[in-house]
Amino acid sequence: EPEVTQTPSHQVTQMGQEVILRCVPISNHLYFYWYRQILGQKVEFLVSFYNNEISEKSEIFDDQFSVERPDGSNFTLKIRSTKLEDSAMYFCASSEKGGNTEAFFGQGTRLTVV
Amino acid sequence: QQQVKQSPQSLIVQKGGISIINCAYENTAFDYFPWYQQFPGKGPALLIAIRPDVSEKKEGRFTISFNKSAKQFSLHIMDSQPGDSATYFCAASDDSGYSTLTFGKGTMLLVSP
Repeated sequence: EPEVTQTPSHQVTQMGQEVILRCVPISNHLYFYWYRQILGQKVEFLVSFYNNEISEKSEIFDDQFSVERPDGSNFTLKIRSTKLEDSAMYFCASSEKGGNTEAFFGQGTRLTVV
Repeated sequence: QQQVKQSPQSLIVQKGGISIINCAYENTAFDYFPWYQQFPGKGPALLIAIRPDVSEKKEGRFTISFNKSAKQFSLHIMDSQPGDSATYFCAASDDSGYSTLTFGKGTMLLVSP
């Protein structure tokens, strides 16, 4: 069964450092998303991406965040200067279509900022 | 308001019992209501979803009940099993084109043997 894969599974970084979280969406999907989940809290939307551009972003997704689809398979989330409060589980998701269709989530990357 | 309010925060049910989780929303533009199941260390996985043109949807032991006028929907797990122990999130999205999900805070379900 096709799945969304994320690397690394766990990333520890020092405050102020840049991190790149990587995702390989399901191959025929066209819509890509990043969500995050702070420990014990709900899953929060960060950004959606379609046709090589950001289609929607939340207020969490400020200037320190960026997304990119550098090639035909990868979808990355970059955090330029990490803060302690960026520590969370980051989930990549993809969907075949827009509108209300099933979004498939990866297993997540646990980011720990120290 | 984009919030989806979910209750209870945690739930303990005996094996074979019925687990009920409730959600409420404010945004009348929401028209897709999925439930996600999440096991520790895993990403959320779609369990069942409903659109507001029906009041109930059943898939196996899982049923969503939807009350459009009250802006509420709930997940019922019949004959709950220990393997159902997980965190359950309700979510909602509107038909803006991008499937952006607004999640509830989650319910941690424990089914005791």
